[in-house]
Amino acid sequence: NAGVTQTPKFRVLKTGQSMTLLCAQDMNHEYMYWYRQDPGMGLRLIHYSVGEGTTAKGEVPDGYNVSRLKKQNFLLGLESAAPSQTSVYFCASSNLGTSTDTQYFGPGTRLTVL
Amino acid sequence: QQQVKQSPQSLIVQKGGISIINCAYENTAFDYFPWYQQFPGKGPALLIAIRPDVSEKKEGRFTISFNKSAKQFSLHIMDSQPGDSATYFCAASFRTYTGRRALTFGSGTRLQVQP
Repeated sequence: NAGVTQTPKFRVLKTGQSMTLLCAQDMNHEYMYWYRQDPGMGLRLIHYSVGEGTTAKGEVPDGYNVSRLKKQNFLLGLESAAPSQTSVYFCASSNLGTSTDTQYFGPGTRLTVL
Repeated sequence: QQQVKQSPQSLIVQKGGISIINCAYENTAFDYFPWYQQFPGKGPALLIAIRPDVSEKKEGRFTISFNKSAKQFSLHIMDSQPGDSATYFCAASFRTYTGRRALTFGSGTRLQVQP
């Protein structure tokens, strides 16, 4: 049981390049989330999904797109990377119906945009 | 605008001492207050959580104190150990009309416990 995994772990992009971050979970969770973590800002929600085929905007969605074609996978795309998107990206998942909806996080992807 | 304000930003404590991290919120719709612990190079993980109907919750050396009227809550780490060195995030959540829990994080506190 791997929990939540993220690919890649590190990436360096040039301004204007595109890339996709992959998140996978093997806990059969309904909800999945993408956060970015910046110094002094905590974790901010980019997009989330409440089930296969659904996505919704979070707190800071601009410049990102997401897709959830399979229940276990949640992809985060950057169409035209900007230096402001330099950050550590975390994926998380949680189960539907629990009283607390504990979120389980992946190990993160460190992205640098030059 | 951050809905959950956390302080201090960093904290250095001697081994065996008490670490205290404070958080404050404004949104009275919040009904669940978890703390997450993050070690370097890892993702955050749930440490302990509390609901506003109790004023304190203790799990081992970790205690949450909750003051509903002041809209403040804090994490106390008793007998702090070097292995507790990590970043701690307070958070607050409420259940939306869709059933999903909307979770908001504080800015984080980097704790260093010196041997």
